[in-house]
Amino acid sequence: EVQLVESGGGLVQPGGSLRLSCAASGFTFSTYDMSWVRQAPGKGLEWVSSISNSGANTYYADSVKGRFTISRDDSKNTLFLQMNSLRAEDTALYYCARHWGVWGKGTTVTVSS
Amino acid sequence: QSVLTQPPSASGTPGQRVTISCSGSSSNIGSYTVKWYQQLPGTAPKLLIYSNNQRPSGVPDRFSGSKSGTSASLAISGLQSEDEADYYCAAWDGSLSGHVFGTGTKVTVL
Repeated sequence: EVQLVESGGGLVQPGGSLRLSCAASGFTFSTYDMSWVRQAPGKGLEWVSSISNSGANTYYADSVKGRFTISRDDSKNTLFLQMNSLRAEDTALYYCARHWGVWGKGTTVTVSS
Repeated sequence: QSVLTQPPSASGTPGQRVTISCSGSSSNIGSYTVKWYQQLPGTAPKLLIYSNNQRPSGVPDRFSGSKSGTSASLAISGLQSEDEADYYCAAWDGSLSGHVFGTGTKVTVL
């Protein structure tokens, strides 16, 4: 079964850091571009970052550029999102997506003091 | 902020046809293909349409997509109660070098 499972979310203070993980199974992870998409409570979808299947190309939304880093470990079938200098406005449910037909259930990040 | 504009809401009675618009620009819809997602309450988005008008396996043919210039549309024919959800369009934006989502449309079945 094709599956994506996010983890690593939690409560963090403003200015803090978190590392999200997305474990993939049921497909050849290394051949797919991957992305992170977030959804703030009661709001719409916001694209956060993407990485090409080779890992050579990465893309970021302006709202997270310079603070977030996307990466992948194809040997472990895992996608990562390193989030630094977190702000209250980063509070959201973070989804991992395989371009673009498979999505995980998400992991919640709350930035609050 | 979203660069693709959708109406906040749409509604219809069972069996009716509902259409949702998605307005963009030459840097996104005008140059790249459009995808549509359905998000049922409390669940992850589900891909409904890709490449403007293609349905993934398992998506009913009641759902159809089209694109013209810098706008796109999603049509739901034979509206059913289980179609009550939020719908989002999406596309790559060449100027932003990133993906963009629409503002979202909540469909209500009366």
